[in-house]
Amino acid sequence: DSGVTQTPKHLITATGQRVTLRCSPRSGDLSVYWYQQSLDQGLQFLIQYYNGEERAKGNILERFSAQQFPDLHSELNLSSLELGDSALYFCASSVGGGDYEQYFGPGTRLTVT
Amino acid sequence: SQQGEEDPQALSIQEGENATMNCSYKTSINNLQWYRQNSGRGLVHLILIRSNEREKHSGRLRVTLDTSKKSSSLLITASRAADTASYFCATEGSNYKLTFGKGTLLTVNP
Repeated sequence: DSGVTQTPKHLITATGQRVTLRCSPRSGDLSVYWYQQSLDQGLQFLIQYYNGEERAKGNILERFSAQQFPDLHSELNLSSLELGDSALYFCASSVGGGDYEQYFGPGTRLTVT
Repeated sequence: SQQGEEDPQALSIQEGENATMNCSYKTSINNLQWYRQNSGRGLVHLILIRSNEREKHSGRLRVTLDTSKKSSSLLITASRAADTASYFCATEGSNYKLTFGKGTLLTVNP
């Protein structure tokens, strides 16, 4: 158990809908990262927050947004969902803003039908 | 785009044998990390090696880094069936982004 929690574990929704994925980092970790894992794209970095501020941005679509709250938990919002958004979404956390190992949550499996 | 590229894509060995996986990358890095993932589950951090380090050990794991060749290797000694998993290398550059390779699928047969 990494100490990172993600909810929900599974999510099935229809195209065009909007969903919110939630992540609680390990106690004491200030950074939260979001990743998308799919068979064709592999593991892709989406976005990083450090102590409430956006720190780095990766291949995150404009339909996706994220935020980190004062209690350091984070939410990833996915809107106007398409079939291709079906994937595993992982949250990870680390102590600092960079140059630290990351601890991954169990993931949320999103299926868009 | 993938920064790190693992080789081989798949590796099958017998219990007790050593497993070696390689990773090559293209641009300068701050550090290189190795992770393990059991099927469909979260990634588990194994080792982080910084750009000024050449070798690191953790239990049965040994990681080397050659920045002149932009390559790293992960050696698992005396492998066990429980080591069966996908292994990923990930590189972190100055932009703090961690870029993963496509992974090596290791199968350890009992």
